Amino acid sequence: DGGITQSPKYLFRKEGQNVTLSCEQNLNHDAMYWYRQDPGQGLRLIYYSQIVNDFQKGDIAEGYSVSREKKESFPLTVTSAQKNPTAFYLCASSIQGQSFNEQFFGPGTRLTVL
Amino acid sequence: AQSVTQLGSHVSVSEGALVLLRCNYSSSVPPYLFWYVQYPNQGLQLLLKYTSAATLVKGINGFEAEFKKSETSFHLTKPSAHMSDAAEYFCAVSENNDMRFGAGTRLTVKP
Repeated sequence: DGGITQSPKYLFRKEGQNVTLSCEQNLNHDAMYWYRQDPGQGLRLIYYSQIVNDFQKGDIAEGYSVSREKKESFPLTVTSAQKNPTAFYLCASSIQGQSFNEQFFGPGTRLTVL
Repeated sequence: AQSVTQLGSHVSVSEGALVLLRCNYSSSVPPYLFWYVQYPNQGLQLLLKYTSAATLVKGINGFEAEFKKSETSFHLTKPSAHMSDAAEYFCAVSENNDMRFGAGTRLTVKP
């Protein structure tokens, strides 16, 4: 079955610690995305990558970092510089190149900072 | 830049009643529009999309949406609500490979 997996489902972190969220896809998609979801605010774009070894900041990149060393993988690190990291994080992927292509989403990771 | 506005953060209907979720968009070019559904603690799933073919788009689970350029709207409807339709629904617009999501509408279905 093709799809996107995110791990872990739930993650707890102490203040001041960095944490990495995993995102893997086997859809052979070039483009991958990270979103943050807070109640009543919809989805906000953190980072996106259109090709291996390249990525761009989204609207709320401060306090986050990413890498794209493989086509299948796009991990997100939430650093201690992120002031309010408690949120639901969603990873997505799409066929690159056309605006009419939908994004496919993973199941999400809920991060709670204690 | 493109954007979407979803009117009503919460909508409540009775089982069997019409579902109407509103979405208005802003785009500088002919838009590509999407509706997604999200069940609690899950990712988003595509319901349907408009890509400039037919203005009435049919999706999964009995949902459909109509693109109205004169009203810049893309409202989502379902003739008869089912308990399993309770979820959060997001409208999205894509322009130049940049997809923007609305704030979402939470649908409650009463028995």
